[in-house]
Amino acid sequence: EAGVTQFPSHSVIEKGQTVTLRCDPISGHDNLYWYRRVMGKEIKFLLHFVKESKQDESGMPNNRFLAERTGGTYSTLKVQPAELEDSGVYFCASSQIAKAQYFGPGTRLLVL
Amino acid sequence: RKEVEQDPGPFNVPEGATVAFNCTYSNSASQSFFWYRQDCRKEPKLLMSVYSSGNEDGRFTAQLNRASQYISLLIRDSKLSDSATYLCVVFYNQGGKLIFGQGTELSVKP
Repeated sequence: EAGVTQFPSHSVIEKGQTVTLRCDPISGHDNLYWYRRVMGKEIKFLLHFVKESKQDESGMPNNRFLAERTGGTYSTLKVQPAELEDSGVYFCASSQIAKAQYFGPGTRLLVL
Repeated sequence: RKEVEQDPGPFNVPEGATVAFNCTYSNSASQSFFWYRQDCRKEPKLLMSVYSSGNEDGRFTAQLNRASQYISLLIRDSKLSDSATYLCVVFYNQGGKLIFGQGTELSVKP
């Protein structure tokens, strides 16, 4: 069974540009999560989808971040416009209800 | 104060050593607890869940003390392949999010 996949694996952009990250969860997992790790800090929760609905977006840093989950399948996280402090590793995770979360390999974002 | 706090690392131990990691959490409403392992530049992977009764998986033993809000992980007979960062993680059913500690780096030397 395929695990959680994320694209791209790396992205280097300039401040002010837009970047879109994609996550494909494990097939059949209704729960999809986005997390972020900035250098020197712990991994932090961004938001949680149940199917196509946002269950909790309390961790989203500001309105430059927009997450969507089309049809309850894959999800995208768009940062527009990107700022230097957005640099970090963005992880996606998925799970079945009340089960362990499985993480994707992450997208390493560097904003210059 | 961080919601989940872990021992500062790194821990450098010889092969065969026993090593223990500690973790405390601040929110008594926390409902589930886990240890994840993260290799360098990789994603976190679930190592084991943690229960009040204590649980063991081979060389790994995890313990939870809800009264003290304290979680531990014991690794016996450590192997070179155990070298990684160990993340203490707390789960809240409300919202379903995981709260991570900063992680403790373990380096097992020959």
